[in-house]
Amino acid sequence: DAKTTQPTSMDCAEGRAANLPCNHSTISGNEYVYWYRQIHSQGPQYIIHGLKNNETNEMASLIITEDRKSSTLILPHATLRDTAVYYCIVSLGSGYALNFGKGTSLLVTP
Amino acid sequence: GAVVSQHPSWVICKSGTSVKIECRSLDFQATTMFWYRQFPKQSLMLMATSNEGSKATYEQGVEKDKFLINHASLTLSTLTVTSAHPEDSSFYICSAPPRASSYEQYFGPGTRLTVT
Repeated sequence: DAKTTQPTSMDCAEGRAANLPCNHSTISGNEYVYWYRQIHSQGPQYIIHGLKNNETNEMASLIITEDRKSSTLILPHATLRDTAVYYCIVSLGSGYALNFGKGTSLLVTP
Repeated sequence: GAVVSQHPSWVICKSGTSVKIECRSLDFQATTMFWYRQFPKQSLMLMATSNEGSKATYEQGVEKDKFLINHASLTLSTLTVTSAHPEDSSFYICSAPPRASSYEQYFGPGTRLTVT
């Protein structure tokens, strides 16, 4: 699996947008970019995924660069409950085990 | 949405005993389930892939005779930690894709194992 690089930690003020970057320069053409998050002592939660195009759902937006070597997860209006570790993962699909890197620890402050 | 449960949510056992952790897909069938382990302040590490009706596939460095995996039905996979030692204390998490056409995986809430 391709590896990803994320900042270790980020802070965001409540109500502001949280922009979490991820580098995946060795991603192959058939690999998706996935984002999961893990709130302390819980199982990871799926957020969003994409292949080439930008994606948006009720939780977040995913912006993928044209060369697919990097992406950004956007939480448009961060809340305190969004405090978690966010993992950017590249994978061939749901039938494959996920290679969790170290992730980004996001702290949302009042 | 798809739900994956784990039982127990936490367990304390004495060194040398065995502990069984269950992972259930509550509203879908899972031919494949994944088992991860997470030590404090570390990321999730894949231990093994559990396949219904066949032997599990273990990652390098994971002892298959110590971590027994059974996937006897399409909704249940079990992980048994045999002869547990304090270094096996960890957070064990399972996951499964809800259907063949799905893109995401659903994770259980995890099981906290403490070996004394």
